[in-house]
Amino acid sequence: AQKITQTQPGMFVQEKEAVTLDCTYDTSDPSYGLFWYKQPSSGEMIFLIYQGSYDQQNATEGRYSLNFQKARKSANLVISASQLGDSAMYFCAMREGQTSYDKVIFGPGTSLSVIP
Amino acid sequence: EAQVTQNPRYLITVTGKKLTVTCSQNMNHEYMSWYRQDPGLGLRQIYYSMNVEVTDKGDVPEGYKVSRKEKRNFPLILESPSPNQTSLYFCASSLSGGLGYEQYFGPGTRLTVT
Repeated sequence: AQKITQTQPGMFVQEKEAVTLDCTYDTSDPSYGLFWYKQPSSGEMIFLIYQGSYDQQNATEGRYSLNFQKARKSANLVISASQLGDSAMYFCAMREGQTSYDKVIFGPGTSLSVIP
Repeated sequence: EAQVTQNPRYLITVTGKKLTVTCSQNMNHEYMSWYRQDPGLGLRQIYYSMNVEVTDKGDVPEGYKVSRKEKRNFPLILESPSPNQTSLYFCASSLSGGLGYEQYFGPGTRLTVT
């Protein structure tokens, strides 16, 4: 069965520090994609970064990077130089390539608070 | 502006009164999907559509119906709402159902069923 685990319900980080948000996943499909989305208190969902299972390098998008450890089935989001505007819920999501091509599974989310 | 729109944004209704939440996208996306968000559970997929007239169940389809008669629209229908369908609902679309395509989300519809 598909499953996404985010073990940190809530986290705090000092402004300008880096923070890692954990995501582990469970799949037997060799082809899959992993996504991170941000949900500020205003409620909208914002796409941050994508990692494919066959990608050779870890994905990066500005201050966001993905620490992808395929053997451990983890795809942790790293936010560098945290800003107050990074305070939000963060969701990890997965799409499988073969077994359930069109479905998307989300994790329960991590609430990040950036402290000035 | 490229966007996904949902209406209404807020809705309070009573048990058993049929309702429809509309969703429309202007990006010519093939893939559209509905999710519900509940505290501690993240987003759970209700239904999705790969293209016009092609829909399939997600993980929590019970009590919901959808249709995709036009590419841009993907309405969510609750034939007989119940209090356990009180939730925040999101519509989303992506260019395709392929692995690398991120989803664009609507602003959400907060539904309360009393």
